[in-house]
Amino acid sequence: KAGVTQTPRYLIKTRGQQVTLSCSPISGHRSVSWYQQTPGQGLQFLFEYFSETQRNKGNFPGRFSGRQFSNSRSEMNVSTLELGDSALYLCASSPWDSDYNEQFFGPGTRLTVL
Amino acid sequence: KQEVTQIPAALSVPEGENLVLNCSFTDSAIYNLQWFRQDPGKGLTSLLLIQSSQREQTSGRLNASLDKSSGRSTLYIAASQPGDSATYLCAVAIYNQGGKLIFGQGTELSVKP
Repeated sequence: KAGVTQTPRYLIKTRGQQVTLSCSPISGHRSVSWYQQTPGQGLQFLFEYFSETQRNKGNFPGRFSGRQFSNSRSEMNVSTLELGDSALYLCASSPWDSDYNEQFFGPGTRLTVL
Repeated sequence: KQEVTQIPAALSVPEGENLVLNCSFTDSAIYNLQWFRQDPGKGLTSLLLIQSSQREQTSGRLNASLDKSSGRSTLYIAASQPGDSATYLCAVAIYNQGGKLIFGQGTELSVKP
């Protein structure tokens, strides 16, 4: 099976712009989660989508949003970018069909805000 | 509030040594615990997952243990190799919080030839 894919891999934006990141989960996986990774804060949970519904949300401002499509692909959007949004954004997918819900991560999207 | 701590933050060992990485968590009501490896600038690679009902899992030279009552997990790496150099992260999943993982800050491992 192909792994989790994320596009684009790298992005450079300026403050005030918006950005959309995409994540394609492993085939058959219904849960997609998003994380932000920075040197200072480490890995922080943004939100999780399951069967097109947001199931859980972290402590991020409303500028961060996401959605999931019927094929389980997910997008996250960040509006009105700030310098502090520069980070590696990772998505993870999980089957969520048994007790063994191992999560698999994509390679990430490196976002730089200038 | 669940907090995950990893000690040490960094570790440097000569090739061939056996080593132990530590992970502790404050709330024992976890669903599972997962160990990951991250190479610089890359995504996370899943190493081992331990269900809350399990005590340990093994994969090749890796062995992970879980003691829920004390809020601790260890990752044992046998006969370390330079290729094991990476940051190792542990993460816990909590009941009734779906797929949300709470991560530790990681242990940066360097194995010297």
